[in-house]
Amino acid sequence: QLQLQESGPGLVKPSETLSLTCTVSGGSISSTNYYWVWIRQPPGKGLEWIGSISYSGSTYYNPSLKSRVTISVDTSKNQFSLKLSSVTAADTAVFYCARRPVGSGMDVWGQGTTVTVSS
Amino acid sequence: DIQMTQSPSTLSASVGDRVTITCRASQSINRWLAWYQQKPGKAPKLLIYKASSLESGVPSRFSGSGSGTEFTLTISSLQPDDFATYYCQQYNSYSEGFSFGPGTKVDIK
Repeated sequence: QLQLQESGPGLVKPSETLSLTCTVSGGSISSTNYYWVWIRQPPGKGLEWIGSISYSGSTYYNPSLKSRVTISVDTSKNQFSLKLSSVTAADTAVFYCARRPVGSGMDVWGQGTTVTVSS
Repeated sequence: DIQMTQSPSTLSASVGDRVTITCRASQSINRWLAWYQQKPGKAPKLLIYKASSLESGVPSRFSGSGSGTEFTLTISSLQPDDFATYYCQQYNSYSEGFSFGPGTKVDIK
């Protein structure tokens, strides 16, 4: 059974770079049929798609975040990662990683990790 | 960017009720729409993809319809486990971003 697990610092200072990793277990991140996705949810608010990456490294970003986001994949570790630069308090959120089959919605999600931006 | 709206924002209903949530896109997204259910403190769960395809393991009381710019999620007979927030998401074009609707909270009447 495929599982995803987010990891990374729970507290990041303003203007610094937020870095998170999603570890995929129970399956390979190298499958050609899937994209790997980051989503966030500020406290008490709705969901925001951050971006996604294919196994081959093709990336797709939310236009509103594109200048600050980098998503990468490490197939040797079965992981993919998120970097969000120049963070502010507005970036405080629960961050989720997920899998998206081609042509479908996101069918497997991590449990989410809370990141707070504060000095 | 493609903007997604949902109505209503909150819906009060009773067990057994038929519930319909509407999702509208600011431009055509063909049938590239998914519906998710989220409960407090939990990750969202995929219910419907490609507007009307039921995700494996999801009860048949959930159904989706629509194409272009207007879509609906219907719960044919609301069950206690269905009280949650529901989000639509379009995945029509990477260049536009895969935006979510603002959510519809279904609570107990």
